Formats: sequence, structure tokens, C-alpha cells
Amino acid sequence: SYELTQPPSVSVSPGQTASITCSGDKLGDKYACWYQQKPGQSPVLVIYQDSKRPSGIPERFSGSNSGNTATLTISGTQAMDEADYYCQAWDSRTGVFGTGTKVTVL
Amino acid sequence: EVQLVESGGGLVQPGRSLRLSCAASGFTFDDYAMHWVRQAPGKGLEWVSGISWNSGSIGYADSVKGRFTISRDNAKNSLYLQMNSLRAEDTALYYCAKVIHLSPSDDAFDIWGQGTMVTVSS
Repeated sequence: SYELTQPPSVSVSPGQTASITCSGDKLGDKYACWYQQKPGQSPVLVIYQDSKRPSGIPERFSGSNSGNTATLTISGTQAMDEADYYCQAWDSRTGVFGTGTKVTVL
Repeated sequence: EVQLVESGGGLVQPGRSLRLSCAASGFTFDDYAMHWVRQAPGKGLEWVSGISWNSGSIGYADSVKGRFTISRDNAKNSLYLQMNSLRAEDTALYYCAKVIHLSPSDDAFDIWGQGTMVTVSS
């Protein structure tokens, strides 16, 4: 079955840039999206179709996808961005989520 | 306001059944594919099942195939998940989610409910 691998944790200082990777076989041939989940809350879509932002998502969130890796970048990270982040893609009409990355803003 | 509200969770013994419901409001329900996603306590997200706008296309994760059945009633703006032969590993918070575009079914989820907890234990 298809797998998406993320680093368990990423630490970033306020105002700096955080990059979260998501690796999967030929992931660049698929669309990747990203969700943010804060403790006790439902996931929120922050990036879809590799690099598009839903309405209401700040411009500091951006995405890219090429080769075997999709990347979520948070520029000028704020304390409110501390959360778990999950990538997601589709393989043969089956949904696949990444293993998740906890972003800590130090 | 676009909203999804799940219900039907609870404590159930292994081998028994449970039916989850998701009530949709604030959007044209029968225009969009819908999905169920679950999250075991302290764990990550897992896609469970999805259904197209007209129920013509349905998919399941291997972990639930043959035990769970997804359905929808567009007249009632409702999504369902019939869960049979439940196992301890099915214990999770179950979310329903709406796709962002009118098509296809395999798309990003832009609206999530608050989830309903299912606990499978004797």
C-alpha cells in the first residue's frame, strides 16, 4: 500500500521559516494537500492541489510538490502555527495521510 | 454557515455494530463527494471511506473493507457509516469531511465535522 512519510517533529523560532516534508513514491505525479490540527480541534485544510491556499489561510503558508517530495513551508512562523500537520494524497482512489509532523514554535 | 455534525458514536463490544451519521448544512450536499476519516487516540489521521455525490463511486480502506458500509441520503442531507464486526483497533474519533470541489471524489477535504467517538471494548 502507498505510504507518505513525514518527520515526527520540526522546531522553529518565531518569525523564522518552517519546512515540513512529505515523501512518497512519485508523489509529484499526484496532488498533495496539507492539514493543520491543533489539540482538541478538527483538522483544517491549509494547502490543496500542491500549492493553493483556501480562503482564509494566511499567505505565510505555501506548498510545493515535485519528484518524491511535497513540502509545506510556513514563512514568518507565529506562535499560533504550533500544531500537528498532515499531508495527504490519493493513490488508486484510496486516501492516504502522512504520518504527521508536530511543529513546535520555540 | 457550512457545517457537518456527526453523531452515533459510543461504547460498543467487539463484534457488535454501530451506525454513524453526519448531518450537513449550509451547502448543496448532493453536489459533493463525502468521506469518513478517523483518528485513534493520540495517533494520526486515517482515511476510512468515501462516496461520490450520487453514490455511484464508493471506496474503502483495506482495514475496513467488508465490515463498513458508507451511504448517503441526499434528500436528508446526511452521510452514514454502518460499522459491523467492530474490533478494538476501530476505536477512534470519526470525522466526516466534505471535498473542496464539485468533482472529483478524490480531492482535498475543506470542511470537517467535530467528530464522534467510537470505543470498542468489552
